[in-house]
Amino acid sequence: DADVTQTPRNRITKTGKRIMLECSQTKGHDRMYWYRQDPGLGLRLIYYSFDVKDINKGEISDGYSVSRQAQAKFSLSLESAIPNQTALYFCATSESGRYNEQFFGPGTRLTVL
Amino acid sequence: GEDVEQSLFLSVREGDSSVINCTYTDSSSTYLYWYKQEPGAGLQLLTYIFSNMDMKQDQRLTVLLNKKDKHLSLRIADTQTGDSAIYFCAESAPMNTGFQKLVFGTGTRLLVSP
Repeated sequence: DADVTQTPRNRITKTGKRIMLECSQTKGHDRMYWYRQDPGLGLRLIYYSFDVKDINKGEISDGYSVSRQAQAKFSLSLESAIPNQTALYFCATSESGRYNEQFFGPGTRLTVL
Repeated sequence: GEDVEQSLFLSVREGDSSVINCTYTDSSSTYLYWYKQEPGAGLQLLTYIFSNMDMKQDQRLTVLLNKKDKHLSLRIADTQTGDSAIYFCAESAPMNTGFQKLVFGTGTRLLVSP
């Protein structure tokens, strides 16, 4: 079984809709992250969380919100989706105190029409 | 700000060596990383190097770090078709919270032909 899972894997939605992407991990890591990947731009950090009570904005948090429901679950919401949020979204986890090796989920491909 | 640059594409023949290059801007990076992304999958850490090292070898992989030029390279010896993937260079960069975020390059697509 995968250590970091994301649901859904693919989603097509319309402008203005609210969307939630979910991430679960069985690695027991305290840190979790959300990234988006766009062609030609690499990965950019949206939000990160050190534990359930510690959530921080990344480079591109505008238009997104997150919830850390438990140590193992970290969800990303788009309150009102817009077309330029069409991207591949990755969740990742890591342990504190290590060299920040991050373990990535398989990604969610989101298309906003 | 931080920036990590890579060439977009590299094509080699099976059995040859592959060298993927990367330049970065943050001289305070503690670690530099190489991640691999296979089709339909997330990124997987291949190797990393601490900033006070200039070389690290791990089986078929050799990482070279030139801090003066802020240049990082990944050499894959005896490249196999299974090595075909996108390779991302990343540097660690401090945020104002003290957290060291990862700054990723755009990725180099390696194509290995038989």
